[in-house]
Amino acid sequence: NAGVMQNPRHLVRRRGQEARLRCSPMKGHSHVYWYRQLPEEGLKFMVYLQKENIIDESGMPKERFSAEFPKEGPSILRIQQVVRGDSAAYFCASSPGTSGSTTDTQYFGPGTRLTVL
Amino acid sequence: DAKTTQPNSMESNEEEPVHLPCNHSTISGTDYIHWYRQLPSQGPEYVIHGLTSNVNNRMASLAIAEDRKSSTLILHRATLRDAAVYYCIPNTGNQFYFGTGTSLTVIP
Repeated sequence: NAGVMQNPRHLVRRRGQEARLRCSPMKGHSHVYWYRQLPEEGLKFMVYLQKENIIDESGMPKERFSAEFPKEGPSILRIQQVVRGDSAAYFCASSPGTSGSTTDTQYFGPGTRLTVL
Repeated sequence: DAKTTQPNSMESNEEEPVHLPCNHSTISGTDYIHWYRQLPSQGPEYVIHGLTSNVNNRMASLAIAEDRKSSTLILHRATLRDAAVYYCIPNTGNQFYFGTGTSLTVIP
């Protein structure tokens, strides 16, 4: 049973370019979460999605960041017009969504390390 | 959101037990307590979770205080592969709040 897949594992962008990060949840999981980890810091929640719905985006920056989880295909975290401060590791997690949000265990992918030059 | 307090770092000798404490005094009655660990350059890895009773699995044991204001993750025999940052996370819903965790060093 494959775990959570993220690609690319490393992404380099110049300031002003767009970054697209992909996440394929574990088989059978319908809930996806995105987190960001700045250097030397803990993970910070960004957004929680179910298929075709954004459930909680309270951790997303108001501008330039967007996320989607279409009916078919991976979840995408999109960062427009990247700046140096966006350099971080971005982790995706998935959960089955069957036992309720207070008990659902989240399983994390290996992350995408974004470097903005 | 339940706040947590964990030691910044701990050391353990290889093959000895390790007790990693966490205070979560503002936890609510329905919050499960999750523990994750993160090895260098990897994503967080689920370790264990529980609500009120002590829990055991193949990786670790979780001891939860009767008042639920604290918990302790127990690694019964530390190995070099257990060197990681350990996060205690009271689950308040959709979001997991990762603090700074405890950086565990295992000494050969």
